[in-house]
Amino acid sequence: TQLLEQSPQFLSIQEGENLTVYCNSSSVFSSLQWYRQEPGEGPVLLVTVVTGGEVKKLKRLTFQFGDARKDSSLHITAAQTGDTGLYLCAGGDNTNAGKSTFGDGTTLTVKP
Amino acid sequence: DTAVSQTPKYLVTQMGNDKSIKCEQNLGHDTMYWYKQDSKKFLKIMFSYNNKELIINETVPNRFSPKSPDKAHLNLHINSLELGDSAVYFCASSQGREETQYFGPGTRLLVL
Repeated sequence: TQLLEQSPQFLSIQEGENLTVYCNSSSVFSSLQWYRQEPGEGPVLLVTVVTGGEVKKLKRLTFQFGDARKDSSLHITAAQTGDTGLYLCAGGDNTNAGKSTFGDGTTLTVKP
Repeated sequence: DTAVSQTPKYLVTQMGNDKSIKCEQNLGHDTMYWYKQDSKKFLKIMFSYNNKELIINETVPNRFSPKSPDKAHLNLHINSLELGDSAVYFCASSQGREETQYFGPGTRLLVL
């Protein structure tokens, strides 16, 4: 069974601070996605990384896929209150009908 | 236009009842999914259909029966509802089995 563990589980910071969320597994994934979910809504895709060592930037968000494709990190610079939400990583497995395994989530609260 | 829609958004019912949740996507995708998100926000795949054919069937009680009348629809019927079925159920779709998944707004099921 593939498992993805996210850390920290909960994070509460002040606006303007930087933060990093980690997504770790002992399994290799063909791709890794990061989603953000706001209360009462479904997850919305932020980014997909597919190559080991890949780094993608989305404005203040920086995503990195580990060299061995087993882990990933999400770094947010100068957090804003609008970044508040549940962040989920998901690993794709192209050997299993493209099944995605989701991490256990990181709940981020950015206070003004 | 809503890309992935689910009905109903809220569902409150008594234990032992049978209920259905409907999902429709207008993205022209050929793969659809059902996920269950528990109270701890853990998102777990239940089923996946590709062109109306079941391709992923996780360890889900057989009280849950998905039906895909066409590739734009994937409905979920639940028989003999139990208290533990209370959760948020998300439908999602993707162009292919390994592509980006687009989630619906969720159906909040409460079994009393």
